[in-house]
Amino acid sequence: DAKTTQPTSMDCAEGRAANLPCNHSTISGNEYVYWYRQIHSQGPQYIIHGLKNNETNEMASLIITEDRKSSTLILPHATLRDTAVYYCIVREKTDSWGKFQFGAGTQVVVTP
Amino acid sequence: ETGVTQSPTHLIKTRGQQVTLRCSSQSGHNTVSWYQQALGQGPQFIFQYYREEENGRGNFPPRFSGLQFPNYSSELNVNALELDDSALYLCASSLEATGPRGATQYFGPGTRLTVL
Repeated sequence: DAKTTQPTSMDCAEGRAANLPCNHSTISGNEYVYWYRQIHSQGPQYIIHGLKNNETNEMASLIITEDRKSSTLILPHATLRDTAVYYCIVREKTDSWGKFQFGAGTQVVVTP
Repeated sequence: ETGVTQSPTHLIKTRGQQVTLRCSSQSGHNTVSWYQQALGQGPQFIFQYYREEENGRGNFPPRFSGLQFPNYSSELNVNALELDDSALYLCASSLEATGPRGATQYFGPGTRLTVL
């Protein structure tokens, strides 16, 4: 799997958009970008994933650059419950088995 | 629809003992993956089970073993516990092992294992 680079930590004001960057400069054409988050002492929660088109769901939006070397997860209106570690992971589309390689992630703190 | 469940929630063992952790996959999911998460680190892949067979393994010694049952629930067994085995153990299930249906994994709340 390609490696990802994320900032160690970010602060965000409640009600504002949180933009979480991820660099995956060595990503290959058959690799998806996944985002998970982990609230303290809980299991990781799936947020969103994409290949090359931008994606949106009820939790977030994923913007992938045209060259696919970076992406941004957008939480449109951050709440205190969005405080968590956010993981950006790339994984082969045709991976023969289900390994996700988690890095250290970005600690996001949403403040009132 | 029931999500992924794990038991027990917490467990304390002593060095050298053996432990069994349990996981029930989400309804309709036939694939279970296990991860170990040490304090302050991201989860590390241990192995995956697909239709009762080990389907892939990370960099963990043989004393970490597992089982998957016909109902797709799973067990993680760790023998000869070491202090470094203290961690949060996470189970994740997916619809399939590969392809788009296998691509997204849904995690349980984890079992916190402390080895003294």
